Amino acid sequence: DAGVIQSPRHEVTEMGQEVTLRCKPISGHNSLFWYRQTMMRGLELLIYFNNNVPIDDSGMPEDRFSAKMPNASFSTLKIQPSEPRDSAVYFCASTTLGVDNSPLHFGNGTRLTVT
Amino acid sequence: SQQGEEDPQALSIQEGENATMNCSYKTSINNLQWYRQNSGRGLVHLILIRSNEREKHSGRLRVTLDTSKKSSSLLITASRAADTASYFCATDAGTGRRALTFGSGTRLQVQP
Repeated sequence: DAGVIQSPRHEVTEMGQEVTLRCKPISGHNSLFWYRQTMMRGLELLIYFNNNVPIDDSGMPEDRFSAKMPNASFSTLKIQPSEPRDSAVYFCASTTLGVDNSPLHFGNGTRLTVT
Repeated sequence: SQQGEEDPQALSIQEGENATMNCSYKTSINNLQWYRQNSGRGLVHLILIRSNEREKHSGRLRVTLDTSKKSSSLLITASRAADTASYFCATDAGTGRRALTFGSGTRLQVQP
């Protein structure tokens, strides 16, 4: 089991640039989550998908953020244009919702720095 | 505000000692989970306790849940230097929004 795979591991970009973060969930999982982690705010849920459909995007900070899940094995989180306050570690996690006791499996995150 | 709040924020102990971390939450839950995060890595699931359970064990881990006080504790017995990490509680409300809500975490340092 390869686990949840995120790319890139680190991203440094200048303010105003577009950033795309990628995630490959564990095969067979039906739900995918994007979280953001900062020292100030901890782990915040941005959006989650169930069967490739966005279910709750109330955590997406603003219109600069968008997420897609075109198929069961791939998701992207895009920030356009990026701002310094977007600097954080972005985690993708997957699980099987509807199965009792199914935990979240996290990737190792993408550390984003916007200068 | 966060659903889960861990206490203490940071804890430093010697190898072999026990470590206890507490978590409080605000709303009714379906279950409560504990996760561990090593520096620079993603979170790893440790243990889940359901709302109708009061205590659960897994190896050196012991979790308790008091739904009347909306609180949980994680006990790590006979700690090792390798237990050094941040520990988070996460709650599943079970209805409506199904995503886990995470607390702010406890940073545990185990001195060899």
